Amino acid sequence: ETGVTQTPRHLVMGMTNKKSLKCEQHLGHNAMYWYKQSAKKPLELMFVYNFKEQTENNSVPSRFSPECPNSSHLFLHLHTLQPEDSALYLCASSQVVSGVAEQFFGPGTRLTVL
Amino acid sequence: GDSVTQMEGPVTLSEEAFLTINCTYTATGYPSLFWYVQYPGEGLQLLLKATKADDKGSNKGFEATYRKETTSFHLEKGSVQVSDSAVYFCAPFFQGGKLIFGQGTELSVKP
Repeated sequence: ETGVTQTPRHLVMGMTNKKSLKCEQHLGHNAMYWYKQSAKKPLELMFVYNFKEQTENNSVPSRFSPECPNSSHLFLHLHTLQPEDSALYLCASSQVVSGVAEQFFGPGTRLTVL
Repeated sequence: GDSVTQMEGPVTLSEEAFLTINCTYTATGYPSLFWYVQYPGEGLQLLLKATKADDKGSNKGFEATYRKETTSFHLEKGSVQVSDSAVYFCAPFFQGGKLIFGQGTELSVKP
């Protein structure tokens, strides 16, 4: 595997389900990100992890719970979601040293909440 | 505050037409500037970048020049192909480590 991978690619869940999205980066980067991409809306940054520590949480509802067990893996745990949470969830990673840090994206998980 | 404004889509062009997608930003400093592209069913990938004034980024026939005086980073291509159909995102990397994406411009190229 190369780059950033995400599983599953598609997920359909009911509002009472609990599921998890997984992201893995094979680039040796030290920062990972979760974004939400909804139709007709700009890309929304949800969470940022630098060196496994969460450094940003952009007012995301608590029904989304991130986990970063090591610098290569990032999870997004989902529970009691709402239909408006249906979107494409993108994971990205970057090597943050100083100055500019290009982000590399995974293909995304298309989530549908019924 | 720091922000980015991108030309709204969708943009529909015929093959071999000239493409311009406008992008302007407001910033307290001098951000680095990126264009990302998202092909159908895929994540975003970096198309090109420029890190200082007057730099020109280029890739796959696309170009964009960092214009400090107009705070712009317009994306251009002289002759688009059907395979260029995608959504294009302008993304300044602001001081403080924030990468902010424009709303995206959908491009559809017809044969």
